[in-house]
Amino acid sequence: KQEVTQIPAALSVPEGENLVLNCSFTDSAIYNLQWFRQDPGKGLTSLLLIQSSQREQTSGRLNASLDKSSGRSTLYIAASQPGDSATYLCRYNTDKLIFGTGTRLQVFP
Amino acid sequence: DAGVIQSPRHEVTEMGQEVTLRCKPISGHDYLFWYRQTMMRGLELLIYFNNNVPIDDSGMPEDRFSAKMPNASFSTLKIQPSEPRDSAVYFCASSGQGGNQPQHFGDGTRLSIL
Repeated sequence: KQEVTQIPAALSVPEGENLVLNCSFTDSAIYNLQWFRQDPGKGLTSLLLIQSSQREQTSGRLNASLDKSSGRSTLYIAASQPGDSATYLCRYNTDKLIFGTGTRLQVFP
Repeated sequence: DAGVIQSPRHEVTEMGQEVTLRCKPISGHDYLFWYRQTMMRGLELLIYFNNNVPIDDSGMPEDRFSAKMPNASFSTLKIQPSEPRDSAVYFCASSGQGGNQPQHFGDGTRLSIL
């Protein structure tokens, strides 16, 4: 069974810290991996999409990496801000679309 | 662009009633996805369409669920008859060129079956 695990499940940090969110998957035969954020009561907002042929993608303070051999993707958030508070989800795409369990992030002033 | 539009935003109904959720994808997107989110099971893909044709409906929980896409700008997810365990937030998403492009989500429909 394909599984996608995110660690940590929850994180609470003061603003300004650099953060690392982890996503682990069991099947290395992926097409791509996408990171989302979800704000309470809202849908998902796409952050970064990494194709299987890529190793990383960057957008502003966000950087996502992909290591297929180890079955891991990492989302790096630089200089965190209270506005980054949300739940972060990774979605893994093979012949199925499977979402991770999510990391609930709280950044306090 | 207005983004993916879902209606209604909230739906409360009694078990046994028919429920219809609606979705308008982003113009030009040829893939449309229906997801369900619950605390217990997280986000689950129910079904997706390519060019209005259902491609994978293996996530549809049972025959009470059905989805249609009569044209490129509209899709429905129907539950008949509804049951309390169907209570969840249902999301619609669309993308261009399927999994090779980012998916854009609507704000979801929060469904409560009493």
